Amino acid sequence: QKEVEQNSGPLSVPEGAIASLNCTYSDRGSQSFFWYRQYSGKSPELIMFIYSNGDKEDGRFTAQLNKASQYVSLLIRDSQPSDSATYLCAVKTSGSRLTFGEGTQLTVNP
Amino acid sequence: KAGVTQTPRYLIKTRGQQVTLSCSPISGHRSVSWYQQTPGQGLQFLFEYFSETQRNKGNFPGRFSGRQFSNSRSEMNVSTLELGDSALYLCASSTDRAYNEQFFGPGTRLTVL
Repeated sequence: QKEVEQNSGPLSVPEGAIASLNCTYSDRGSQSFFWYRQYSGKSPELIMFIYSNGDKEDGRFTAQLNKASQYVSLLIRDSQPSDSATYLCAVKTSGSRLTFGEGTQLTVNP
Repeated sequence: KAGVTQTPRYLIKTRGQQVTLSCSPISGHRSVSWYQQTPGQGLQFLFEYFSETQRNKGNFPGRFSGRQFSNSRSEMNVSTLELGDSALYLCASSTDRAYNEQFFGPGTRLTVL
């Protein structure tokens, strides 16, 4: 079992729709959870960070964490073509070490 | 506040050579982590430095090494380069609080010929 698994892509949604990205992790001791967006040829950009169960909202983005189910998700409301990128889920277990999923490629069609 | 900076941005080397990459973290951040990103393996953790000490190490051969200076700047070194070392090398900086965000630099694209 991989330490961090993301829903297989690619994911394609129409402009204005909600994009839902999912991630599960295996280490129950994981402390905090990150969503990064990465455009082709660029470095990962932090878009959401969550460490408590429940929802965290920031503009059009909502991260949801369920530690009992070892599940974290990212919802993107009113998706825009500029949201087209690869979304990486990362989990912090010790120190500042992050373990990443393989990423989900999202395409938002105009 | 300035972000994470990495130099150089691009490097071309040949097999057998060695390379040194540099990372300057965000001001006030004392933790620096290094990652390798390749199309086949994704983002993989190399090592983490805090207060000039290696605190965590990933599953990479000893050819990969690093260090951190008193001003928190960090370098990583790869000796005896192999073709498979071609990758995007990313540095991330963070504070050392229990719940902290990590921010990546632009990366160094290394090509080994």
